[in-house]
Amino acid sequence: GQNIDQPTEMTATEGAIVQINCTYQTSGFNGLFWYQQHAGEAPTFLSYNVLDGLEEKGRFSSFLSRSKGYSYLLLKELQMKDSASYLCAALDSNYQLIWGAGTKLIIKP
Amino acid sequence: SAVISQKPSRDICQRGTSLTIQCQVDSQVTMMFWYRQQPGQSLTLIATANQGSEATYESGFVIDKFPISRPNLTFSTLTVSNMSPEDSSIYLCSVVLGEVEQFFGPGTRLTVL
Repeated sequence: GQNIDQPTEMTATEGAIVQINCTYQTSGFNGLFWYQQHAGEAPTFLSYNVLDGLEEKGRFSSFLSRSKGYSYLLLKELQMKDSASYLCAALDSNYQLIWGAGTKLIIKP
Repeated sequence: SAVISQKPSRDICQRGTSLTIQCQVDSQVTMMFWYRQQPGQSLTLIATANQGSEATYESGFVIDKFPISRPNLTFSTLTVSNMSPEDSSIYLCSVVLGEVEQFFGPGTRLTVL
């Protein structure tokens, strides 16, 4: 079957760094997405990785290892506004997104 | 990116009634999807809205309950029929822009009493 695993909740301190991990098992693979979702709002696109390696975009970076079925989202210099849920989603061979349950990130001052 | 709007943004409905949700995009898109997100949970794909043909439904979702229209490349509607409290959820449309990136509308928050 198809499955995405990510931690349910994480807590970090303002100004620190946090890494949110995601492992996936899909029928075929066409890339890995990360979305941010604030409470009561729609998900917003953060990153898309299809090749192995690290993609950096400002304070946020995303890493992919296709051989390990593993990705992580790295958030640096955490700000209170980064408190949100972070959704990992893998694109399968039919180009359908398989969604994780999301990781709720709590930032403390 | 594109501007994606949904109407209504929220509604409170009585059991047994139906609600039609509209999704409008400011550019032509080939692929458009409808999702449901129940409180505290992740996204569940309801169907792919195909322009000019019937929607493709995921397991557990049927056309009689969730009829979808896609009359052109910028617009789609999702109807939630014969509603029950279990249908209370956020309904989201999304579109594919670029090669594979999906972008979401603001969502419709539905409460069924």
